[in-house]
Amino acid sequence: EIVLTQSPGTLSLSPGERATLSCRASQSVRSSYLAWYQHKPGQAPRLLIYGAASRATGIPDRFSGSGSGTDFTLTISRLEPEDFAVYYCQQYGKSRTFGQGTKVEIK
Amino acid sequence: EVQLLESGGGLVQPGGSLRISCAASGFNLDNYAMHWVRQAPGKGLEWVSGISGRGTDTSYADSVRGRLTISRDNSKNTLYLQMHSLRAEDTAIYYCAKDRYLGSVVIMGLFDYWGQGTLVTVSS
Repeated sequence: EIVLTQSPGTLSLSPGERATLSCRASQSVRSSYLAWYQHKPGQAPRLLIYGAASRATGIPDRFSGSGSGTDFTLTISRLEPEDFAVYYCQQYGKSRTFGQGTKVEIK
Repeated sequence: EVQLLESGGGLVQPGGSLRISCAASGFNLDNYAMHWVRQAPGKGLEWVSGISGRGTDTSYADSVRGRLTISRDNSKNTLYLQMHSLRAEDTAIYYCAKDRYLGSVVIMGLFDYWGQGTLVTVSS
């Protein structure tokens, strides 16, 4: 099983700041089959990024993904109030596993 | 507009059984794999099971294999998860999710639409 480790566990930032979230895999993720999701309490998770760097339909361009192999990054260039949430990375190259999540909270 | 609506959650005793459902609309269900993903209280997301568009292929997480069974009825636009021998650790919100990849025999596991979830509580 591919284990995904996200860091940091919590990120405390102010609106307008840049957020950088990390996801490290225990083994190489095939074909960069790595996705990022946003999850807010009481809501359905939302697909942000797939294939490590492709934005899903309707996702603002302040969200960007990068990386390959075992190291991946989600960057939110300027935080909007609605961006404070929990973010999960997920690999779908060998079965499917999620990271434990990074909470982006208002400082 | 794609919509996924889960139902059937509730309280069940340890060792008991329950079937939850997901009604899908807004897309051709036959052409997409479907999945169940769960979130235990205070925990992260965990993929549970997936089924191909035609229903001929299924896949399970090790933690549920042999106790949970995924199925679908495309004529009713509905996905199911039959759960047996339930344990306290199965307590979670269960989300239905659509696979992004087009293909009736493929199970990729990239989730582009999700339902709001249904809560299953296993407790005596």
